[in-house]
Amino acid sequence: AQTVTQSQPEMSVQEAETVTLSCTYDTSESDYYLFWYKQPPSRQMILVIRQEAYKQQNATENRFSVNFQKAAKSFSLKISDSQLGDAAMYFCAYRSANTGNQFYFGTGTSLTVIP
Amino acid sequence: DAGITQSPRHKVTETGTPVTLRCHQTENHRYMYWYRQDPGHGLRLIHYSYGVKDTDKGEVSDGYSVSRSKTEDFLLTLESATSSQTSVYFCATSGQGGWGDTQYFGPGTRLTVL
Repeated sequence: AQTVTQSQPEMSVQEAETVTLSCTYDTSESDYYLFWYKQPPSRQMILVIRQEAYKQQNATENRFSVNFQKAAKSFSLKISDSQLGDAAMYFCAYRSANTGNQFYFGTGTSLTVIP
Repeated sequence: DAGITQSPRHKVTETGTPVTLRCHQTENHRYMYWYRQDPGHGLRLIHYSYGVKDTDKGEVSDGYSVSRSKTEDFLLTLESATSSQTSVYFCATSGQGGWGDTQYFGPGTRLTVL
């Protein structure tokens, strides 16, 4: 099974500043998909952003962008102009493009936004 | 957001009792999943389904069974609940729209086994 590692259990950022959350994964496959999910205190899992491995261009969604380094198997999430509503647990996830529909999740990073 | 509901949302039960959690979706998604979420472990896959009556085990399937008799419903059963199964359980679905299809999650069920 693929493994997804989030090495930062907790992070904090000042409101309006930028923060980067790290994610690395282990795979021998060349085709796959990567996701970042946000889980606020409500517990609802919300998709933040996704990246197809075959695309070299980094995905962006408003204030959220990724730095996808395929050779390094790294997929970090950058949050710009942090807002209080960004405070949440963030999960990185991997899905193979070839071996079924299982998703593999990291252990999460808890982000605190300081006013 | 996909229409995914879970019932019950909260449940307290005693060790040794059977428990069934229900996931219902209105999106006609082919794939359905059950995860458990525990501190320090993220989300771990229990079972998943790739069609009616088609299911497979995930990473932490011991002590759990599932059934899917209709596209819209996916049931998770704990035959004899144990305290180690105290957790938050999430149902998720994904469609058949391609390899990059995203998972959508239900609101979760908090289960406490005393």
